[in-house]
Amino acid sequence: NAGVMQNPRHLVRRRGQEARLRCSPMKGHSHVYWYRQLPEEGLKFMVYLQKENIIDESGMPKERFSAEFPKEGPSILRIQQVVRGDSAAYFCASSLYDGDTEAFFGQGTRLTVV
Amino acid sequence: AQTVTQSQPEMSVQEAETVTLSCTYDTSESDYYLFWYKQPPSRQMILVIRQEAYKQQNATENRFSVNFQKAAKSFSLKISDSQLGDAAMYFCAYRNNDMRFGAGTRLTVKP
Repeated sequence: NAGVMQNPRHLVRRRGQEARLRCSPMKGHSHVYWYRQLPEEGLKFMVYLQKENIIDESGMPKERFSAEFPKEGPSILRIQQVVRGDSAAYFCASSLYDGDTEAFFGQGTRLTVV
Repeated sequence: AQTVTQSQPEMSVQEAETVTLSCTYDTSESDYYLFWYKQPPSRQMILVIRQEAYKQQNATENRFSVNFQKAAKSFSLKISDSQLGDAAMYFCAYRNNDMRFGAGTRLTVKP
């Protein structure tokens, strides 16, 4: 059973471009969480999704950021018109049930905006 | 490769008592950071405490303190005067460039 898979591991984008980060949860997991880690800071909660639904997006910036978790395929975190302040490591985690079982994290995508 | 091990999948503590969560890690680096994160049912990862490897003094945050043993590569979290709100998943994390988390410890606080 493969762990949470995130790709790419490293992503370089120029200011104004779009960044798409992918997360494949563990097999059978239907709950996905995205976190952002800025340099010298801890993980920051961004969004919590179940299949085809956004459950909690209280940590998501109101503009330029969006996330989805379709019925088929990976979860996608999309950042439009990236700025240098978006440079960070983005971690995805998945869990089997809500309110139960531990969340498993991916290794993250390091986004660099140049 | 850096790995983080939390050997206690579940722990239980009586309210107002003290509990210690264990964490060990493996690294060949000399400069790194260690963290404990709390994940309550809200799913937000909450930073509980951090420790810089170059500091010998153990970090303390109110009721939370760590026992950092660099030579032993051990980083345990002590929660004093446990409260019901402390019930959560606790993740130990190591960071140099990438951040590595342990599998987590589920802490139950009994009233």
